[in-house]
Amino acid sequence: EPEVTQTPSHQVTQMGQEVILRCVPISNHLYFYWYRQILGQKVEFLVSFYNNEISEKSEIFDDQFSVERPDGSNFTLKIRSTKLEDSAMYFCASSGDRDTFNYEQYFGPGTRLTVT
Amino acid sequence: DAKTTQPPSMDCAEGRAANLPCNHSTISGNEYVYWYRQIHSQGPQYIIHGLKNNETNEMASLIITEDRKSSTLILPHATLRDTAVYYCIVSRSNDYKLSFGAGTTVTVRA
Repeated sequence: EPEVTQTPSHQVTQMGQEVILRCVPISNHLYFYWYRQILGQKVEFLVSFYNNEISEKSEIFDDQFSVERPDGSNFTLKIRSTKLEDSAMYFCASSGDRDTFNYEQYFGPGTRLTVT
Repeated sequence: DAKTTQPPSMDCAEGRAANLPCNHSTISGNEYVYWYRQIHSQGPQYIIHGLKNNETNEMASLIITEDRKSSTLILPHATLRDTAVYYCIVSRSNDYKLSFGAGTTVTVRA
């Protein structure tokens, strides 16, 4: 069964450093998302991406964040200058099957980002 | 997006059916009811969704009231592996985001 994959599973970085989180969505999908979950809190929407551009973004997704689909298979989230409060689990998701037109979102296993 | 209300927690005996309620009294005509679950700190997992008819798949059944203001997710034979946080989310079918609440923490006991 196709699945969303994410790398790395755990990333430790120092405050102020740039990080790139990588995701490979399900190949037949058209919509791509990033969510985050701070430990003990709700899953929060960050950004959605469709047709090579951002469809919607939350207040969390400020100028420090960017997304890219550089090669038609990977989908990346970049945080330019990490802060302590960026420590969280980051989930990638994809949806919009070209063949079945189903729009349920499928999530990856997450990348745990720890900013020290 | 319509808001949903779920009980914070519930217990279920292994092998019995688990019935998870959700209220969504402000749901719009073009909004679907989606159910996801999150086991420990894994990525949320899609379970089922529906518009107004009852739905069933290999994981669960979804019962939506006629006025669409509430629904129930049914796990027919709960196992220990069904212990998770279950989220009821209302969204348009091709919406760009899911708005997660606190969900219902379901504990299946042997």
